[in-house]
Amino acid sequence: DAKTTQPTSMDCAEGRAANLPCNHSTISGNEYVYWYRQIHSQGPQYIIHGLKNNETNEMASLIITEDRKSSTLILPHATLRDTAVYYCIVRARLTGGGNKLTFGTGTQLKVEL
Amino acid sequence: NAGVTQTPKFQVLKTGQSMTLQCAQDMNHNSMYWYRQDPGMGLRLIYYSASEGTTDKGEVPNGYNVSRLNKREFSLRLESAAPSQTSVYFCASTTGTGGSGANVLTFGAGSRLTVL
Repeated sequence: DAKTTQPTSMDCAEGRAANLPCNHSTISGNEYVYWYRQIHSQGPQYIIHGLKNNETNEMASLIITEDRKSSTLILPHATLRDTAVYYCIVRARLTGGGNKLTFGTGTQLKVEL
Repeated sequence: NAGVTQTPKFQVLKTGQSMTLQCAQDMNHNSMYWYRQDPGMGLRLIYYSASEGTTDKGEVPNGYNVSRLNKREFSLRLESAAPSQTSVYFCASTTGTGGSGANVLTFGAGSRLTVL
């Protein structure tokens, strides 16, 4: 799997957009970018994933650079409830069978008033 | 729809005691996973089950055993608990049937284990 690099921590003002970067310079052509988050003491929660096109859902937007070597997760209007650790994971799609997702230490996002 | 249910939520053990963490999912998922998370660290995979009847070791399997009881249930057993196994344990599941969605995991709320 491609290795990912994320900043250890970031701060964001409530109501502003939170832009969380992820570097995955060794990503392969068949690997997707996944984002999860973990709010304190809870189980991780899936946010979004994409291959090469930008993606948007009700939680966030995912912007992947044209060379696919980096991506940015965007929370358009961050709230205090978005304070969490955000994990960027790169993984190929399955053709069948189980999978082993590797979670690193992620980015601690702190949303403040 | 409960998703992934873990029991117990909290447990305190003495060194050498045994216990089993239970996990059940009601989403008809094929694959199930056990992770542990220590303070300030990311999640580490202990064991996983790609499908009913199969189990495989993850990154940190030593000191644990697992059983995929049926499609719904995947248990994690500590035969002789050690203080180093003090951690928060998360169970997760996914369709596992292929495609990019197979990497979308649903996690339980966690089981907090303290070994004295």
